[in-house]
Amino acid sequence: SQQGEEDPQALSIQEGENATMNCSYKTSINNLQWYRQNSGRGLVHLILIRSNEREKHSGRLRVTLDTSKKSSSLLITASRAADTASYFCAYVPRSNAGGTSYGKLTFGQGTILTVHP
Amino acid sequence: NAGVTQTPKFQVLKTGQSMTLQCAQDMNHNSMYWYRQDPGMGLRLIYYSASEGTTDKGEVPNGYNVSRLNKREFSLRLESAAPSQTSVYFCASSERTWMVEKLFFGSGTQLSVL
Repeated sequence: SQQGEEDPQALSIQEGENATMNCSYKTSINNLQWYRQNSGRGLVHLILIRSNEREKHSGRLRVTLDTSKKSSSLLITASRAADTASYFCAYVPRSNAGGTSYGKLTFGQGTILTVHP
Repeated sequence: NAGVTQTPKFQVLKTGQSMTLQCAQDMNHNSMYWYRQDPGMGLRLIYYSASEGTTDKGEVPNGYNVSRLNKREFSLRLESAAPSQTSVYFCASSERTWMVEKLFFGSGTQLSVL
């Protein structure tokens, strides 16, 4: 399976603290995305980082990408109770032939974040 | 804006029964997808449709069929449900399949097969 791996599987913090989640993958990629899933809902796209980028910011989110280590991290600063959710990384593996990226977004197994008020 | 709409939200089936999950998107997206989500497994792709008139297998297609009815609608059919198909099913769409940059998800269908 080319499924990505995320750690930790679960993270419990207090409001105001920072939360860091990590994602590792096994193949070359063109971009890596992070999604949030609130309980009982569908996934919502948060941020995308391209393979030629090392860091990207969006509001309280900071994403890093290290293609040499095949890993990415998502940092949520000054967390709030409303950030409680599951967070997934996702990427399209490059095919072996030609380096094209046609097809399927592969998801990691997710990190469950709980932020206590 | 409705985005991606899935029906039904909940369904209970007996082993061997059949059913169709419906999905529609109103964003004029070319590509649509069906995923299943199981505890500890993340999301796994069942089938996808890169454009109207085409469908392709994903990671876990066995036991499922799909129909891209038109650009808006993409249905998933279980011909003979099995307990192993108990899962939460998500439909998603994107502008394109090649180097996809953002998926829009429906709210999911929770299916139990007894």
